[in-house]
Amino acid sequence: DTGVSQNPRHKITKRGQNVTFRCDPISEHNRLYWYRQTLGQGPEFLTYFQNEAQLEKSRLLSDRFSAERPKGSFSTLEIQRTEQGDSAMYLCASSMPTGQGISPLHFGNGTRLTVT
Amino acid sequence: AQSVTQLDSHVSVSEGTPVLLRCNYSSSYSPSLFWYVQHPNKGLQLLLKYTSAATLVKGINGFEAEFKKSETSFHLTKPSAHMSDAAEYFCVVSDRGKLIFGQGTELSVKP
Repeated sequence: DTGVSQNPRHKITKRGQNVTFRCDPISEHNRLYWYRQTLGQGPEFLTYFQNEAQLEKSRLLSDRFSAERPKGSFSTLEIQRTEQGDSAMYLCASSMPTGQGISPLHFGNGTRLTVT
Repeated sequence: AQSVTQLDSHVSVSEGTPVLLRCNYSSSYSPSLFWYVQHPNKGLQLLLKYTSAATLVKGINGFEAEFKKSETSFHLTKPSAHMSDAAEYFCVVSDRGKLIFGQGTELSVKP
């Protein structure tokens, strides 16, 4: 299977700890996105990359969140000093831009974070 | 900024009856619109996409959606519901390189 891969699937951490998630996109896709989804809500945009360049970061995103995509392939999302409100499903998606607007995003199965 | 509003948080239908999930969009330019489905404990899956080629878009599993500019709507329909259609459905609009999701509509299908 060559879909979007996210690790770990689940992460339980104590408040105040740092966590890091990894996303491996579909290999030929040059755009990579991070979203957050809480129970009963639609996915909320966090940030996205084209190759290694971070093109946009949500203004709602705390400075405790940072994402990298150093070689334009996999990406990491780090949350520093976690808070209980950070508990959510973190989704990664990738796409290949087309000449006709945005192409569909292919999503991974997500990393579920629980902050105790 | 672009946005979508899903008019129903929950829709319940009987198996074999039509499905209608309603979505209105707000966009300052001609948008790309999508519907995604999320089954319990599964990833998000693309149902269909509109990018101005045709106003009636056919997707997977018998779903289709019609783009109506005059009504700023992009409602999702299916002639006959199956039990396997029970899931969360998201209407999505493009916004400067990223996708903006609606709040979702939970579809229940009764036998």
